[in-house]
Amino acid sequence: NAGVTQTPKFQVLKTGQSMTLQCAQDMNHEYMSWYRQDPGMGLRLIHYSVGAGITDQGEVPNGYNVSRSTTEDFPLRLLSAAPSQTSVYFCASSTQGVQPQHFGDGTRLSIL
Amino acid sequence: GENVEQHPSTLSVQEGDSAVIKCTYSDSASNYFPWYKQELGKRPQLIIDIRSNVGEKKDQRIAVTLNKTAKHFSLHITETQPEDSAVYFCAASRSSGTYKYIFGTGTRLKVLA
Repeated sequence: NAGVTQTPKFQVLKTGQSMTLQCAQDMNHEYMSWYRQDPGMGLRLIHYSVGAGITDQGEVPNGYNVSRSTTEDFPLRLLSAAPSQTSVYFCASSTQGVQPQHFGDGTRLSIL
Repeated sequence: GENVEQHPSTLSVQEGDSAVIKCTYSDSASNYFPWYKQELGKRPQLIIDIRSNVGEKKDQRIAVTLNKTAKHFSLHITETQPEDSAVYFCAASRSSGTYKYIFGTGTRLKVLA
């Protein structure tokens, strides 16, 4: 049972580039979410999904897009990378109506 | 907007002593309060949670207390061990309506052997 799998683990981008952070879970959880973690600021919710085909914005959604075509996958897209998006990104999943229970290992992203 | 304040930002205790971390929330409609532990370079892990209809919850050496009137909740770790050293995050949310969790800024706990 893999849990929540994130790829890649590390990535360096140049300003203006786009990329997709992948997140997959094999627990059949309805809820999935993306957080960014910056020093001294804790975890901040970017986008979340309550099921396939349903997504909504979190606390800091600007510059990011998401989609949820299947229960398993919840990719996060950076449209035009900016240095302010340098962060560690965590994907999480949970059973319906419950807090983030399982986090992935994170993606450390640097924007130059 | 909603806010969760967490104190202290760093905490050092001697092995065997107790540690207490406190969080204060602003949204009076919040009714779910989880705590996460994050070791250096690792993912956050849910360690305990409490709902608003309960004043205290305990799981072995870890306990959480909630004071809804004062809008604060606390994590208590007794008989601390070196492996308790980590960053601890609190969070607050409503269990109905919008699915949004507001996290505190974290407490770095160091247990000195």
